[in-house]
Amino acid sequence: QSALTQPASVSGSPGQSITISCTGTSSDVGSYNLVSWYQQHPGKAPKLMIYEGSKRPSGVSNRFSGSKSGNTASLTISGLQAEDEADYYCCSYAGSSTLVFGTGTKVTVL
Amino acid sequence: QVQLVQSGAEVKKPGSSVKVSCKASGGTFSSYTISWVRQAPGQGLEWMGRIIPILGIANYAQKFQGRVTITADKSTSTAYMELSSLRSEDTAVYYCASGKPLDYWGQGTLVTVSS
Repeated sequence: QSALTQPASVSGSPGQSITISCTGTSSDVGSYNLVSWYQQHPGKAPKLMIYEGSKRPSGVSNRFSGSKSGNTASLTISGLQAEDEADYYCCSYAGSSTLVFGTGTKVTVL
Repeated sequence: QVQLVQSGAEVKKPGSSVKVSCKASGGTFSSYTISWVRQAPGQGLEWMGRIIPILGIANYAQKFQGRVTITADKSTSTAYMELSSLRSEDTAVYYCASGKPLDYWGQGTLVTVSS
């Protein structure tokens, strides 16, 4: 299982929207609607932001949204805020009860 | 609300093994999965495997097959991850996380492999 591909970095100004892509294959992202997204601040454990492609856990801001098209999932952060500056990882079910993470994207708020 | 508390930092010699624990409270331990995820310094997240305590069945990432063993003790609501034949590249923070998706995480355990 190879890691899902994410851009190394994405940046935006406060109030703008940014989108992070997560490209897999027909064996993982493309086959299941089971992509989740995690936010990780330095020195902290990851936090679940999106699951099953587009669902938000209770307490997560509606500025975060997810989608999928073919083998690529996306996370959009609208109304970018300073507190959104963090690393973001996608994760997909890959069959046979296994998961695979993305390479990670550093989001910088300019 | 599930809380996961992991064991403390470890320093190990190359070739040895390490066993990290993850004690759960809240929720019903046996009914949810526990995954193990590691993060090498400055690197990304890497899924290692998971267990369903009620079934005692574990699944592993291909990369770690034969070198990692994940177990669970229902009587103490504790999951364990044992990694053998340690090498310097295994230096990382190891996290346990519960559920599908991974909605609750432990605080992480730093394992340092050094001679």
